[in-house]
Amino acid sequence: QQPVQSPQAVILREGEDAVINCSSSKALYSVHWYRQKHGEAPVFLMILLKGGEQKGHEKISASFNEKKQQSSLYLTASQLSYSGTYFCGTQRSNDYKLSFGAGTTVTVRA
Amino acid sequence: KAGVTQTPRYLIKTRGQQVTLSCSPISGHRSVSWYQQTPGQGLQFLFEYFSETQRNKGNFPGRFSGRQFSNSRSEMNVSTLELGDSALYLCASSLTSPNEQFFGPGTRLTVL
Repeated sequence: QQPVQSPQAVILREGEDAVINCSSSKALYSVHWYRQKHGEAPVFLMILLKGGEQKGHEKISASFNEKKQQSSLYLTASQLSYSGTYFCGTQRSNDYKLSFGAGTTVTVRA
Repeated sequence: KAGVTQTPRYLIKTRGQQVTLSCSPISGHRSVSWYQQTPGQGLQFLFEYFSETQRNKGNFPGRFSGRQFSNSRSEMNVSTLELGDSALYLCASSLTSPNEQFFGPGTRLTVL
């Protein structure tokens, strides 16, 4: 079952912050975040395993709330290079199947 | 280190034909996953292979099949093509699962 991402799209000015949410109705084993720029392949950002840990990648960080089965991706002090579509991928168990959300398109303007 | 390669990059077929797409993972990676990407449906999981074994399969009809060879290279086959099969097919490799997946550039399939 696909996780639900929100918002669908967000427009930011350089230096602004944004939060992207990813929710599942089922218990999760792990949450993966990827960014895809137009015409390119998705690129890995980070994995969060159940346990509520928080990780970071440059000024992008994420958290995983196991009780709510929700993960949030935080874009801090956004840069032009942050533009792209962000996908969360979820695994319900260690079953080697990654279900991706529909994506959140982020546009950062100067 | 060479990345994930996919061939061909573009393919045009007509309804009813079949197609085979190829994926070469990063050297040392034994897990290969396949995804279908369309504007309306996003990234949909097709299947995952590890050491020549299919470990999981997505909700696609039996027309979609795959295999993995002993050198970890993988192929996917779509038989009796339909217009709705037009999509970007991505493969991704990783050392194990769950782990960072490295995506290939994809094969753009157009079914006329």
